[in-house]
Amino acid sequence: QQQVKQSPQSLIVQKGGIPIINCAYENTAFDYFPWYQQFPGKGPALLIAIRPDVSEKKEGRFTISFNKSAKQFSLHIMDSQPGDSATYFCAASMAGNTPLVFGKGTRLSVIA
Amino acid sequence: GAVVSQHPSRVICKSGTSVKIECRSLDFQATTMFWYRQFPKQSLMLMATSNEGSKATYEQGVEKDKFLINHASLTLSTLTVTSAHPEDSSFYICSARRGGNTIYFGEGSWLTVV
Repeated sequence: QQQVKQSPQSLIVQKGGIPIINCAYENTAFDYFPWYQQFPGKGPALLIAIRPDVSEKKEGRFTISFNKSAKQFSLHIMDSQPGDSATYFCAASMAGNTPLVFGKGTRLSVIA
Repeated sequence: GAVVSQHPSRVICKSGTSVKIECRSLDFQATTMFWYRQFPKQSLMLMATSNEGSKATYEQGVEKDKFLINHASLTLSTLTVTSAHPEDSSFYICSARRGGNTIYFGEGSWLTVV
């Protein structure tokens, strides 16, 4: 049973566009929802994270929207650039020393 | 800069030998670190949770005698792949929890078994 479902699997946008990546979770005990960016051959880098007590969080060009009732959250990348081309993973975790549960990832390509 | 350091970044070993990968938290203490394995174009697969001063907790299907994890200090966890075989070739990544829920990842280690 996949606890965090991520879509789309891949995404191609033009430079300046706003790619949107969606994730849905099932476990209501999750209380922390980070997004990671991974370039080929590198470890994932923490981009931005949100807790369920807020509906939106912005950091630079990255925005998380969170819908607690629908158990969904999404990542928006404003003014996307070719350098944003990477694989993005959503994740979720519970309180305590529990590991992150990852989505399957979205491969984003931003074309000039 | 990086807050979790992983070494080596690339290693090639002969089949049947053992190889050790280190994961260090650079400016914080991590009572818990996590080890993942990642196949090309796939998500991260949790292998085990490493707890400082106690035995690691392995995920179902991960051989604990093959993938030895030691978390001897609050800043260092090691993964030793014993009697490595070509099918163990993969990208191994560690992560460490830095206060609350924030988890940082290392740069990963490419293991090639020949």
